Amino acid sequence: ELKVEQNPLFLSMQEGKNYTIYCNYSTTSDRLYWYRQDPGKSLESLFVLLSNGAVKQEGRLMASLDTKARLSTLHITAAVHDLSATYFCAVDMGAGTALIFGKGTTLSVSS
Amino acid sequence: EAGVAQSPRYKIIEKRQSVAFWCNPISGHATLYWYQQILGQGPKLLIQFQNNGVVDDSQLPKDRFSAERLKGVDSTLKIQPAKLEDSAVYLCASSLVQGAMETQYFGPGTRLLVL
Repeated sequence: ELKVEQNPLFLSMQEGKNYTIYCNYSTTSDRLYWYRQDPGKSLESLFVLLSNGAVKQEGRLMASLDTKARLSTLHITAAVHDLSATYFCAVDMGAGTALIFGKGTTLSVSS
Repeated sequence: EAGVAQSPRYKIIEKRQSVAFWCNPISGHATLYWYQQILGQGPKLLIQFQNNGVVDDSQLPKDRFSAERLKGVDSTLKIQPAKLEDSAVYLCASSLVQGAMETQYFGPGTRLLVL
């Protein structure tokens, strides 16, 4: 059974600080997704990582994938309040298959 | 381009009652998913359709849940009878598979509370 684990599950950050969210998964897959969910809202796609060594950046967020270690990281640079949300990583076993999600990391950024 | 539409947005029912949710995917998206998201957890697949055929319903509690996708477009998910543990957000997602690329686009969800 494919499992996806995120840590930490809760993260309280100060504005301007850097931090990293980790996503481990239990089976061979080279497809990793990061989503953002605001309270009471649906999921918004952030990054799609489809190969070993893939790195993608958008604003203050950078995601990377190491398929050999079965690990993805989401790095937050100089956090701002607008980044407060829950971040999910998910994997699938190929195009056209369902996503398996982690439990999510709830990020709270305060001044 | 319009996103994935879902209705209703909120529903409160008593246990043992029935309820139905509706989803209209993005135009042209052949694949449609229903996920259940319990508070504090990530979404979990209930059922996947490819056009109007079922691809994966292995995690659908078939004694009480049913789903259909008529004409390969809109889909409905039904719960009958509902249990307290069915309280969750039901998310519909659609996607267009192009080679190795696929991004699932999620609707706003239906928040169900079973009393």
